[in-house]
Amino acid sequence: KQEVTQIPAALSVPEGENLVLNCSFTDSAIYNLQWFRQDPGKGLTSLLLIQSSQREQTSGRLNASLDKSSGRSTLYIAASQPGDSATYLCAVPSGNTPLVFGKGTRLSVIA
Amino acid sequence: DAGITQSPRHKVTETGTPVTLRCHQTENHRYMYWYRQDPGHGLRLIHYSYGVKDTDKGEVSDGYSVSRSKTEDFLLTLESATSSQTSVYFCAISDRVPGGYTFGSGTRLTVV
Repeated sequence: KQEVTQIPAALSVPEGENLVLNCSFTDSAIYNLQWFRQDPGKGLTSLLLIQSSQREQTSGRLNASLDKSSGRSTLYIAASQPGDSATYLCAVPSGNTPLVFGKGTRLSVIA
Repeated sequence: DAGITQSPRHKVTETGTPVTLRCHQTENHRYMYWYRQDPGHGLRLIHYSYGVKDTDKGEVSDGYSVSRSKTEDFLLTLESATSSQTSVYFCAISDRVPGGYTFGSGTRLTVV
């Protein structure tokens, strides 16, 4: 059974800092990994979908890397802003089954 | 999110009553999912559908049933609501497996 762990559970950083969020998964036989953002009381917004054949994917200030063999992914946020404050979730499908989610990292960027 | 809507957005119901939540999509995606989100547990899969009239159970399916009679609609029914089913319910869609998911805005259900 796929299990997804996100560390740290919460993170507080000053504005402008570069930061890394971590995601690990137990079953490395994955096809892709997806990072989401969730604002309080809101739904999930897809940030990046990284295929197993890719090592990284970039969108603006966000960069996600994937290392299947070690069961790890990182989400790098450059030059953080207060608007980046949210909970970040990673999720992987287990084989052909639906996405399994980590519990998220709650990020606060302090102005 | 554009293309996927959930209704109602909020609902308060009494223990023992039946409740149906609706997910509607305009993307013509084959796959639809119901998740619940609870503090300390994160998002957990309830049921999913891989086509009209084709559904399967997820991790926390007890007490829930689903129906999909049309591509665009996926209904989640709580046959007899309990307080443990107080949660935020999210619907998601995808056009292929494995593929990226798009989520709805959620339904906040309170069972009193």
